[in-house]
Amino acid sequence: GDSVTQTEGLVTLTKGLPVMLNCTYQTTYSPFLFWYVQHLNEAPKLLLKSSTDNKRTEHQGFYATLHKSSSSFHLQKSSVQLSDSALYFCALSEGSFNKLTFGAGTRLAVCP
Amino acid sequence: NSKVIQTPRYLVKGQGQKAKMRCIPEKGHPVVFWYQQNKNNEFKFLINFQNQEVLQQIDMTEKRFSAECPSNSPCSLEIQSSEAGDSALYLCASSLGGRANTGQLYFGEGSKLTVL
Repeated sequence: GDSVTQTEGLVTLTKGLPVMLNCTYQTTYSPFLFWYVQHLNEAPKLLLKSSTDNKRTEHQGFYATLHKSSSSFHLQKSSVQLSDSALYFCALSEGSFNKLTFGAGTRLAVCP
Repeated sequence: NSKVIQTPRYLVKGQGQKAKMRCIPEKGHPVVFWYQQNKNNEFKFLINFQNQEVLQQIDMTEKRFSAECPSNSPCSLEIQSSEAGDSALYLCASSLGGRANTGQLYFGEGSKLTVL
């Protein structure tokens, strides 16, 4: 079945530094990839999405590029802020009404 | 603020008791999902609906869990006989559906169940 792997459980950074959160996936279908962010005691929210190979997608300073050749969709930001501290989930869908398969999540902690 | 409304925010049940959670999806969204998020923050898909029809569900949902999305009423997820392992955050999400909106889920803040 479908699976999503996020290798980092916790990433701790000083504000202003760049970050990359890893995401790889496995599916036999043409994938739709997503990044969701969940701040403490809040609902998860969609941050980025892509189904187009090798095209960068950006939102709120974050960006990611879907690479089908390596089955990856890494999340990046050039300069993290304190408000970026949250849980980040990579997720995969194969089509219209199908469920999202989530990775285990990466907690990003940004320090002053 | 989330436009998917979940109630109650917190519920505490004893083992063997029923636990019921409700969800009002975002207006105009015909597709509703239920996920369980455990203490390690891992998501587990439970069931999804398009309007009142079940699209997919896992085995767990077929046994102790029941869910419905009646027309003109909130969707609900009920655990018939709660177990300690059911303690988790139950997240409801809604979507417009269709291929263009694939994976674009709008989540509620969840109902946190504690089973003593």
